[in-house]
Amino acid sequence: DGGITQSPKYLFRKEGQNVTLSCEQNLNHDAMYWYRQDPGQGLRLIYYSQIVNDFQKGDIAEGYSVSREKKESFPLTVTSAQKNPTAFYLCASSLLSPVSEAFFGQGTRLTVV
Amino acid sequence: AQTVTQSQPEMSVQEAETVTLSCTYDTSESDYYLFWYKQPPSRQMILVIRQEAYKQQNATENRFSVNFQKAAKSFSLKISDSQLGDAAMYFCAYRSGETSGSRLTFGEGTQLTVNP
Repeated sequence: DGGITQSPKYLFRKEGQNVTLSCEQNLNHDAMYWYRQDPGQGLRLIYYSQIVNDFQKGDIAEGYSVSREKKESFPLTVTSAQKNPTAFYLCASSLLSPVSEAFFGQGTRLTVV
Repeated sequence: AQTVTQSQPEMSVQEAETVTLSCTYDTSESDYYLFWYKQPPSRQMILVIRQEAYKQQNATENRFSVNFQKAAKSFSLKISDSQLGDAAMYFCAYRSGETSGSRLTFGEGTQLTVNP
């Protein structure tokens, strides 16, 4: 089935450690996105990418890094520089042309312990 | 940068009644797309409806319809015959129509409660 897969669903990290969240899509979408969602809050854009080997910072990129080595994959690394990383992270993808809505993964809940 | 504002953090409606959720946006572009997404307690984001700015006709999807006022930069969602399953967080979102402008911006969300 076509879709977008995030893993793991739950992730625990010790303070000071980097951690990588996985996002894979088989929809042949060009654009991919990472959002952060805090309790009762909206979605804030961390990074997005329109093409392989290129990506742009969103509104809250500090403390995060991404790569786009393959069209299907857009992993997000939460580094130790991120002061408050505990949150729900959503990955999404969409077509560039024609413009399509974004399709979302099921999310990863990251908790710093 | 474009901004999306949802001024109603919480709304409630009686089952079978109608409710309208508000959304305004700020942009200097003429070609863009607007979306409403629903996020139930499972936290899975589900597309409710989309509207192309170049279309004058308001989009409808079964019990869901929008009131798109381009000049006022307003994009409200009307839910008719509300059902218990409509209870969720609703997000309004904006995307540029430019092929190179894939940034997707969300509002803060409106938490909808449906009372039996």
